[in-house]
Amino acid sequence: DADVTQTPRNRITKTGKRIMLECSQTKGHDRMYWYRQDPGLGLRLIYYSFDVKDINKGEISDGYSVSRQAQAKFSLSLESAIPNQTALYFCATSDSDTRYGYTFGSGTRLTVV
Amino acid sequence: RKEVEQDPGPFNVPEGATVAFNCTYSNSASQSFFWYRQDCRKEPKLLMSVYSSGNEDGRFTAQLNRASQYISLLIRDSKLSDSATYLCVVNNWSTDKLIFGTGTRLQVFP
Repeated sequence: DADVTQTPRNRITKTGKRIMLECSQTKGHDRMYWYRQDPGLGLRLIYYSFDVKDINKGEISDGYSVSRQAQAKFSLSLESAIPNQTALYFCATSDSDTRYGYTFGSGTRLTVV
Repeated sequence: RKEVEQDPGPFNVPEGATVAFNCTYSNSASQSFFWYRQDCRKEPKLLMSVYSSGNEDGRFTAQLNRASQYISLLIRDSKLSDSATYLCVVNNWSTDKLIFGTGTRLQVFP
């Protein structure tokens, strides 16, 4: 099994719908992150959590919310999906020491029509 | 100015060639440096950390120049399978998060 698992892998949804992307990890890391990636723009941080009781906005949090249900689980919700939220979404985890880098999930490809 | 800047490429090189990428970073307090590899529509994966003394892993060599605030990645004897986007990554000491460059695309042709 993958260290960081994202579900679903692909999703097509309609404008205005609420959708949740889920991430779970078996690495025992305290820190978890949600990114979106658009062609030519690189990875942009949406939200991050340094522990279960800590939630922080990233650079593009508008239109998104998160829930850290447990150390191993971090969910991203789109409250009312819009077409410009069509992107590739990645969850990542890290130890509290960033010397070891981040481990990414395999991504969720979201299309909003 | 972006915290991490890379030439987006693409770098088109023949098999067997040597290719080098550079990356500059703006925060002189950064302590951790990495190169990640990302295949099309896949997740970024850690290729190698970059140490002050430079480090090598097979055909890949990473160098850090703190004085000029740049990191380099050298790939020798390029393989078709090296075709990917290479992300330069630097830690932000004040926010304690990693900052990802937008990547340099490499295409190796036969």
